[in-house]
Amino acid sequence: AQKITQTQPGMFVQEKEAVTLDCTYDTSDQSYGLFWYKQPSSGEMIFLIYQGSYDEQNATEGRYSLNFQKARKSANLVISASQLGDSAMYFCAMRDANYGQNFVFGPGTRLSVLP
Amino acid sequence: DAMVIQNPRYQVTQFGKPVTLSCSQTLNHNVMYWYQQKSSQAPKLLFHYYDKDFNNEADTPDNFQSRRPNTSFCFLDIRSPGLGDAAMYLCATSRGLEYTDTQYFGPGTRLTVL
Repeated sequence: AQKITQTQPGMFVQEKEAVTLDCTYDTSDQSYGLFWYKQPSSGEMIFLIYQGSYDEQNATEGRYSLNFQKARKSANLVISASQLGDSAMYFCAMRDANYGQNFVFGPGTRLSVLP
Repeated sequence: DAMVIQNPRYQVTQFGKPVTLSCSQTLNHNVMYWYQQKSSQAPKLLFHYYDKDFNNEADTPDNFQSRRPNTSFCFLDIRSPGLGDAAMYLCATSRGLEYTDTQYFGPGTRLTVL
């Protein structure tokens, strides 16, 4: 069965510092995609970054990068140079080839950026 | 800009009074989803449409129904809202159901049941 684990319910980071949000996943499929979303207090789920299971390079999008360690089944999100506007809930999600209709979310990590 | 739009952003209804939430998209995506999200929890999938094919999650209550009259629009009907149905309702779209297909979300409708 597919499963996403995010072990950090809450994280604090000082403005301008980098922060890593953990995500581990479980799937028996070889073909899968990993996604990170940001949800500010307004409620909108904002897509941040995608990593495919066959991608050899770690994905990057601006200040966001994904530290993909396939053997460990981890897909940690790294946010560089944190900004106050980064304070939000962050969800890791997965979809695999066998159950493509299922988009499995982790429980989320609440990030607070301190001035 | 291509986007997913939800109306209204905030909806207040009374216990037992039917309510309809709407979602539209300009992405021309084949798949549209409805999620329910309660405070500090991950979104929970209620159902999705692939084109006109409706797929209900096994644990979605019968109280929740959906319609997709065309590619662009999808509606969530709650026939008799209970206090436990107060939540954020998120609409999402994706091009398909491949593992490479990203889901894009609308801003959500926050439902209050009095």
